[in-house]
Amino acid sequence: DAGVIQSPRHEVTEMGQEVTLRCKPISGHDYLFWYRQTMMRGLELLIYFNNNVPIDDSGMPEDRFSAKMPNASFSTLKIQPSEPRDSAVYFCASSISGQAGEETQYFGPGTRLLVL
Amino acid sequence: KQEVTQIPAALSVPEGENLVLNCSFTDSAIYNLQWFRQDPGKGLTSLLLIQSSQREQTSGRLNASLDKSSGRSTLYIAASQPGDSATYLCAPPIGGGSEKLVFGKGTKLTVNP
Repeated sequence: DAGVIQSPRHEVTEMGQEVTLRCKPISGHDYLFWYRQTMMRGLELLIYFNNNVPIDDSGMPEDRFSAKMPNASFSTLKIQPSEPRDSAVYFCASSISGQAGEETQYFGPGTRLLVL
Repeated sequence: KQEVTQIPAALSVPEGENLVLNCSFTDSAIYNLQWFRQDPGKGLTSLLLIQSSQREQTSGRLNASLDKSSGRSTLYIAASQPGDSATYLCAPPIGGGSEKLVFGKGTKLTVNP
């Protein structure tokens, strides 16, 4: 398997523009996570899905952020409108539920977002 | 609320040294804990997942221990190599066996040749 795939790898946009980040989880994984990493706050969980259903979105900073998972192999994180303080690296991760010891989360390479 | 502290924040050692990275967490009612590695500009790579029933987990030169009662985990790296240079992050769940992980700020390790 190619691992978790994220696109784009880098995104530079202007304040007020819509940004869409994409993620393809590892095939067969039923959990998908969106994280944000900044120097100040470290790595924070934004939202996670189980079997395409959002389970916990308490980490989503505000209504400008939304995430969808229309099927088991694709998820998007959208920011509309974007602001400079949204600049960060956004990671997608996936994992599989099952027996104890299989809870490892596998991370994608991240999308580095810069909002000017 | 789960809070995670990693000490030291940065560590620089000569090649070949054995070293210990420390992680403390506030909610000890957890079923497992994960250690990750992050290289500059890259994503996270899972190193070890240790179950609360195991107390220790080993992979090659890495050994992780978990002491729930004291709210501590350690990552031991034997015979360090320059390729071990990275940031190491500890991540217990928010509680129990939750899928939600809480990450520490990490320990940035530099192994000098």
